[in-house]
Amino acid sequence: EDKVVQSPLSLVVHEGDTVTLNCSYEVTNFRSLLWYKQEKKAPTFLFMLTSSGIEKKSGRLSSILDKKELFSILNITATQTGDSAVYLCAVKNSGGYQKVTFGTGTKLQVIP
Amino acid sequence: GAVVSQHPSWVICKSGTSVKIECRSLDFQATTMFWYRQFPKQSLMLMATSNEGSKATYEQGVEKDKFLINHASLTLSTLTVTSAHPEDSSFYICSARAAEIQETQYFGPGTRLLVL
Repeated sequence: EDKVVQSPLSLVVHEGDTVTLNCSYEVTNFRSLLWYKQEKKAPTFLFMLTSSGIEKKSGRLSSILDKKELFSILNITATQTGDSAVYLCAVKNSGGYQKVTFGTGTKLQVIP
Repeated sequence: GAVVSQHPSWVICKSGTSVKIECRSLDFQATTMFWYRQFPKQSLMLMATSNEGSKATYEQGVEKDKFLINHASLTLSTLTVTSAHPEDSSFYICSARAAEIQETQYFGPGTRLLVL
């Protein structure tokens, strides 16, 4: 059975801190790993990773995938209160169906 | 951990037919279930929020007569795409939230709908 585990479950940091969120997975026929930020309604797409070792970057957020060790990290530098959200990791498998398996998320709270 | 299942996993239907997708929480009672549609480029759109025993709350722009949602029990919500058309082809994902752990959503594996 496909599985995605995120850690930590919850995190409280001060503005300006750097945080690293972890996502490990077990999935048959891996296709891609996705990171989302969920504040109130639908999760907002952040990154899609398909290859190991290639860092994806968007502003203060970056992410990298290790397909050998089956994990990914999401880094947020110089955190701001607006970064407070639940960060979801999901893995999509290959094939026509492209089943997606979500983790339960890491809740990040950034305090002033 | 909590498990949410969806059935069917993949459905192909002819234009004009209706399709029902089930979302079940297997080992917990879900007071709230959410239905999402995934678009190309991975974005997720929240379609509606359903609470057990009451009418679903639809997001702006989502036709409630087109996408019928029923949350008849604490473990089952259904989404019926009525008179499906090719533009309804998409990946539909549900998630469920337990009464006891309000902050955590458990996502289903998704249902891929292809309307010919």
